[in-house]
Amino acid sequence: RKEVEQDPGPFNVPEGATVAFNCTYSNSASQSFFWYRQDCRKEPKLLMSVYSSGNEDGRFTAQLNRASQYISLLIRDSKLSDSATYLCVVNKNGGFKTIFGAGTRLFVKA
Amino acid sequence: NAGVMQNPRHLVRRRGQEARLRCSPMKGHSHVYWYRQLPEEGLKFMVYLQKENIIDESGMPKERFSAEFPKEGPSILRIQQVVRGDSAAYFCASSPPERRNEQFFGPGTRLTVL
Repeated sequence: RKEVEQDPGPFNVPEGATVAFNCTYSNSASQSFFWYRQDCRKEPKLLMSVYSSGNEDGRFTAQLNRASQYISLLIRDSKLSDSATYLCVVNKNGGFKTIFGAGTRLFVKA
Repeated sequence: NAGVMQNPRHLVRRRGQEARLRCSPMKGHSHVYWYRQLPEEGLKFMVYLQKENIIDESGMPKERFSAEFPKEGPSILRIQQVVRGDSAAYFCASSPPERRNEQFFGPGTRLTVL
């Protein structure tokens, strides 16, 4: 079993749609959680950290369920520019040993 | 404040040659991480370094691969006697000492082995 698992997609949605990505992790000792975004042939960029209480940044909402070892990302009112691969990232031991999921690809169409 | 810099951006080598990939972290960042990404796959952690120290190299192949982060100059990922399976994008990331969780990535080096 992979340490971090994501649905690979792709998700094809129209502009304005709401889309949700899920991620599960296997190591209960994991301490920090993030969503990154990666455009085709570009480097990953930090989208947002994920906190136990849940957090929101504009159209993006991240949730963490430690008991279920589950992380989610919700994108509301999808834009064409949201098309990218979204990477679920889990970190333990205070900083290094970062594990990236394989990513979920999103295509937003007009 | 310049971001993480990597060079070269593209590198072509023939089987058996050596590849040297360089990474300059963001100003003020003392932690460097190297990752490899194969086509259509996620990033795989390779090594974590601080200045003059390798902290965690559990993701590095046992042979042909080495990394350093000298006191002066960029971090270097060195691949000796490259094989076709080494073809990938190699990303470097850096983080500040007080927030090691937040990693900022460079543009990557795309290595092609002929």
